[in-house]
Amino acid sequence: AQSVTQPDIHITVSEGASLELRCNYSYGATPYLFWYVQSPGQGLQLLLKYFSGDTLVQGIKGFEAEFKRSQSSFNLRKPSVHWSDAAEYFCAVGPLSGNMLTFGGGTRLMVKP
Amino acid sequence: EAGVAQSPRYKIIEKRQSVAFWCNPISGHATLYWYQQILGQGPKLLIQFQNNGVVDDSQLPKDRFSAERLKGVDSTLKIQPAKLEDSAVYLCASSLVGVPTQETQYFGPGTRLLVL
Repeated sequence: AQSVTQPDIHITVSEGASLELRCNYSYGATPYLFWYVQSPGQGLQLLLKYFSGDTLVQGIKGFEAEFKRSQSSFNLRKPSVHWSDAAEYFCAVGPLSGNMLTFGGGTRLMVKP
Repeated sequence: EAGVAQSPRYKIIEKRQSVAFWCNPISGHATLYWYQQILGQGPKLLIQFQNNGVVDDSQLPKDRFSAERLKGVDSTLKIQPAKLEDSAVYLCASSLVGVPTQETQYFGPGTRLLVL
């Protein structure tokens, strides 16, 4: 069975600082990987996705993520955080076939001025 | 382009009562999903429709939950009777074709349900 772990429930960073959110997955083959963001009172918005090819994926809002097969990780990064990035971030994994996306528990990001 | 619409945004009921949520997907999207998001957890897929047919409802508690998409457009999710553990945000999403691992799902703002 596939699973996703986001080890950090809460993270606080200062505005302008760099950010890395961790995501580890468990799956028997190369999965499809996603990062979503959920702002308060809003639905989830797709930041980026990895299907194949270049392991460094660029997304919207200046985010990027790197797929590391050897570590079963797909960490999300941003070089300089803005106050508007405060939200909850979800990593998700999907199989090569089938319909089920499995989401991690989420990481809540707070940004200090 | 209008996004996924959901109503109501908030609902408070007592246990054993019934409740219904409505979702209108993005125009032209064949696939509609209902997710349950319990506080502190990621969303969990309850049911997926392709047009008006059910593709996957393996995680839907069918003894109390039901969903329909009669005309292949909007959808209703019902809980009858509600339990305390049903307190959650119910998210609706839609996508163009229906292969969630290969295309973007667009999410609505959700309906926050509190069961007392």
